[in-house]
Amino acid sequence: GESVGLHLPTLSVQEGDNSIINCAYSNSASDYFIWYKQESGKGPQFIIDIRSNMDKRQGQRVTVLLNKTVKHLSLQIAATQPGDSAVYFCAENNGRDDKIIFGKGTRLHILP
Amino acid sequence: NAGVTQTPKFQVLKTGQSMTLQCAQDMNHEYMSWYRQDPGMGLRLIHYSVGAGITDQGEVPNGYNVSRSTTEDFPLRLLSAAPSQTSVYFCASSYAPVSPLHFGNGTRLTVT
Repeated sequence: GESVGLHLPTLSVQEGDNSIINCAYSNSASDYFIWYKQESGKGPQFIIDIRSNMDKRQGQRVTVLLNKTVKHLSLQIAATQPGDSAVYFCAENNGRDDKIIFGKGTRLHILP
Repeated sequence: NAGVTQTPKFQVLKTGQSMTLQCAQDMNHEYMSWYRQDPGMGLRLIHYSVGAGITDQGEVPNGYNVSRSTTEDFPLRLLSAAPSQTSVYFCASSYAPVSPLHFGNGTRLTVT
């Protein structure tokens, strides 16, 4: 069963609505950001990434927005589906070394 | 392609025992890394490698050793297990350091 993410913040969204998951970062030198989705019992799965020379990038049903001024990253999921229910993590590279560091995650709960 | 394969899936150790968590990837990725995931803590980087023969420490390296003798394999060794090392361990790989990571499905380790 699920034992990770017991104390994560939770976002509850009605099925069919758009979801917005937020992430703040502290290092102004960070230059690469990634969003991952983790379903119960599985490893994280890549969703979308963005480099610091961009402020928006779109994928299939997902959009990542990067605001470097306030050091904020968001993941927008359009027309949320039951299969989107998972824990979502943002991760970053600090621009100085080869480490990818993860944030604490947000659980997305879909309401029927 | 199998992607990233981790073995074993589950392991129980007694305090002081040693073991090796195996990780293999068949995507010819140069970059590999190990993370641990604890409830409410997200994923924390243990060690990483940018290529065969090269390893470096992540955020929480104490108590763990790694080696990278081939491109495909990146084993994680616990020399003397402690209860604080009870966690879910994930191995990941990517074609370059700052690029999307592909994760295995994890090893759930319990140290009693």
